[in-house]
Amino acid sequence: GDSVTQMEGPVTLSEEAFLTINCTYTATGYPSLFWYVQYPGEGLQLLLKATKADDKGSNKGFEATYRKETTSFHLEKGSVQVSDSAVYFCALSYTGGFKTIFGAGTRLFVKA
Amino acid sequence: DARVTQTPRDKVTEMGQEVTMRCQPILGHNTVFWYRQTMMQGLELLAYFRNRAPLDDSGMPKDRFSAEMPDATLATLKIQPSEPRDSAVYFCASGLVEGVGIPYEQYFGPGTRLTVT
Repeated sequence: GDSVTQMEGPVTLSEEAFLTINCTYTATGYPSLFWYVQYPGEGLQLLLKATKADDKGSNKGFEATYRKETTSFHLEKGSVQVSDSAVYFCALSYTGGFKTIFGAGTRLFVKA
Repeated sequence: DARVTQTPRDKVTEMGQEVTMRCQPILGHNTVFWYRQTMMQGLELLAYFRNRAPLDDSGMPKDRFSAEMPDATLATLKIQPSEPRDSAVYFCASGLVEGVGIPYEQYFGPGTRLTVT
């Protein structure tokens, strides 16, 4: 079946450091891929998405590229801020479908 | 700015009591999901509905949990009787499944933090 695997956290970085959170997936078809972010005390919200191979999703300085050959969708940001401290979830779903498969989440702490 | 709303935001109850959590999905969305989030288990899917019909509730403990959508603007999750192990944050999410080529996104509510003592 389909699944999503993320690197274990927590990830602790200093402000302005480079961020990478790894995500790999297994899929029976050709899913769309997503990164969701959960800030403390809130629900998940969509951060970025990519619908097909080689697409790059980007938002708020974050980006991720849909790599079919390595079945990966790693999240990156060039310079993190304290306000980026949150839990990040990688996910997949199929167009026309309705169920989303979430990874376990990776907690990010950014120190000033 | 359309949002999913959930009530109550916080609930503390004693073991054995009934708990009802409510969710108002975004108007026009045709899918609704209930998730439970704990530190140990992470995000677990409990149930989901499409066009108000339950499609899968295999993630729920059947003997004590029930989920319904009495109308398109209200989804409910009930626990009866509640137990301390039910303590968690319960999220409702909604989405719109459209035609081919449109990626499916979920919109989450702020959650209900349930504490069962």
